[in-house]
Amino acid sequence: DTEVTQTPKHLVMGMTNKKSLKCEQHMGHRAMYWYKQKAKKPPELMFVYSYEKLSINESVPSRFSPECPNSSLLNLHLHALQPEDSALYLCASSQGASHSYEQYFGPGTRLTVT
Amino acid sequence: LAKTTQPISMDSYEGQEVNITCSHNNIATNDYITWYQQFPSQGPRFIIQGYKTKVTNEVASLFIPADRKSSTLSLPRVSLSDTAVYYCLVGYNNDMRFGAGTRLTVKP
Repeated sequence: DTEVTQTPKHLVMGMTNKKSLKCEQHMGHRAMYWYKQKAKKPPELMFVYSYEKLSINESVPSRFSPECPNSSLLNLHLHALQPEDSALYLCASSQGASHSYEQYFGPGTRLTVT
Repeated sequence: LAKTTQPISMDSYEGQEVNITCSHNNIATNDYITWYQQFPSQGPRFIIQGYKTKVTNEVASLFIPADRKSSTLSLPRVSLSDTAVYYCLVGYNNDMRFGAGTRLTVKP
């Protein structure tokens, strides 16, 4: 199984809502990532978890809160988002926390903030 | 962190070989060079990775000169389904930062 799954596929939320994005992999990977991608732009790294510990936070606003409950799961909790946060949110995983390892990406969650 | 520069867009025709070059003048000794492909509304997909000289797999080749300040992704005999954005990444640790990418359009 070389698949990274993300739920939901689409999410529409108001600026006062609280929602969560979920990512799951069963490849035994020990590094997991969140990216944000706006239309016609490259993916922007948000967070990196290595062995279930947050290792990189790219100065992301606190309205985005990551969580790694175990080595297979990665969540992104959303609260008080702004319309400019509307984007495709991508999750990825890799065998190790190093550039030398191939990253496997999920299909993404399309988020719209109204 | 090595910055990468790629052409913004390229056009090709079915059956042709396509070469996309990426410049990374400040590449570090430990850095790897990795290429990803992305279709609209999908996550990127790994294509190939190399450190030096030439690497080939079933879908592409990667050419890296001795000074490693650039690299060239070669796609043999492209088809319409190869129309996508191609990203070159350079690094060693897990700080994966994508450059602007090259939008390849394959025409019939």
